[in-house]
Amino acid sequence: AQKVTQAQTEISVVEKEDVTLDCVYETRDTTYYLFWYKQPPSGELVFLIRRNSFDEQNEISGRYSWNFQKSTSSFNFTITASQVVDSAVYFCALSDPSGTYKYIFGTGTRLKVLA
Amino acid sequence: DAGVTQSPTHLIKTRGQHVTLRCSPISGHKSVSWYQQVLGQGPQFIFQYYEKEERGRGNFPDRFSARQFPNYSSELNVNALLLGDSALYLCASSHGHSVYGYTFGSGTRLTVV
Repeated sequence: AQKVTQAQTEISVVEKEDVTLDCVYETRDTTYYLFWYKQPPSGELVFLIRRNSFDEQNEISGRYSWNFQKSTSSFNFTITASQVVDSAVYFCALSDPSGTYKYIFGTGTRLKVLA
Repeated sequence: DAGVTQSPTHLIKTRGQHVTLRCSPISGHKSVSWYQQVLGQGPQFIFQYYEKEERGRGNFPDRFSARQFPNYSSELNVNALLLGDSALYLCASSHGHSVYGYTFGSGTRLTVV
């Protein structure tokens, strides 16, 4: 069965600190896709990144970076020099490329960035 | 360009009632999915429609139903509401398969009293 685990329920950091959000996934598929979404208080899920299972290159986008390691089934997300606007709930999700293409979401990590 | 729009934004219903939630996908998107997000949890998959056909259904009772119209908008219907149906209902659209990444709406907050 597919599963996504975000063990960190809530993280609080002071502005300008770096923070890493952990994501561990389980799947028997050899081809799959991983995603990170941000959910601000407004409720809308904002797409951040998509990674397919054949691409293990780390990615950096501004203050955001992602570390994908198939060996440990992890897809971690780091925010460098955090800002108050980064405060939100962050979800990691797994999608299989066949069937319904549904997303399996983790339970989310609430990030609080304090000024 | 308009994003995924959902209506209403908030709704209060009584146990046993029926509710209809509506979703308009991004122009050109043919796939619509519905998710239920209970407070403090991640979204749970309910339905996916592509080209007006149901492509998948999550582990939800038959009280939940949906449909997609020729203009690709969609409705989610829930009958015989229970207190446990209180949640944020999210609609998401994409061009095709979800590998491209869904765009989510802001959701409908349903409270059942």
